[in-house]
Amino acid sequence: EAGVAQSPRYKIIEKRQSVAFWCNPISGHATLYWYQQILGQGPKLLIQFQNNGVVDDSQLPKDRFSAERLKGVDSTLKIQPAKLEDSAVYLCASSFPGQTSYNEQFFGPGTRLTVL
Amino acid sequence: AQSVTQLGSHVSVSEGALVLLRCNYSSSVPPYLFWYVQYPNQGLQLLLKYTSAATLVKGINGFEAEFKKSETSFHLTKPSAHMSDAAEYFCAVSRGGGADGLTFGKGTHLIIQP
Repeated sequence: EAGVAQSPRYKIIEKRQSVAFWCNPISGHATLYWYQQILGQGPKLLIQFQNNGVVDDSQLPKDRFSAERLKGVDSTLKIQPAKLEDSAVYLCASSFPGQTSYNEQFFGPGTRLTVL
Repeated sequence: AQSVTQLGSHVSVSEGALVLLRCNYSSSVPPYLFWYVQYPNQGLQLLLKYTSAATLVKGINGFEAEFKKSETSFHLTKPSAHMSDAAEYFCAVSRGGGADGLTFGKGTHLIIQP
């Protein structure tokens, strides 16, 4: 079974530029998450999708971050414009939805963003 | 809101010694708790999870954790450390309320001394 795919793996941009990250979840996984992991910290949830609908985006900085999952499969996370403090690893995860909140989330390798 | 606190950003043990990584949680509802491991330049991998079925949870690679409600703790242990256990370990709690994204602790870096 293929894992969660993310691209690119690394990205370096100047502040105020725009950047986009792509995620392809495990086949059949309807729930998709984006996390931000700043160096030295644990991952922080940015947004959760169930199919193509948003379940939780309470921690997404909506003035500069946006995410979509138009067909309920792949997802794109965008930052526009980027700030220095956005330097982090962006992790995508997916899970197979069930009746409970403890389904295992499978994580991709992440995209490491450096903002100069 | 649910939260977790990991005590000790770095823990160093000798190979073959007991591993103990501490995690305390705060939750207004019965929590779902998780331990994840992260190797350098890799994504997170689930070690084990507590889902209220049993207080002592066994996971992969010989790790286990015990849920103690009275102490609001979910510490991770392994009887005998191996060099391959060197990694970053994260405790996490489900955010609950139907939104099951995770809230993670800051992580504990486990160092294994030969």
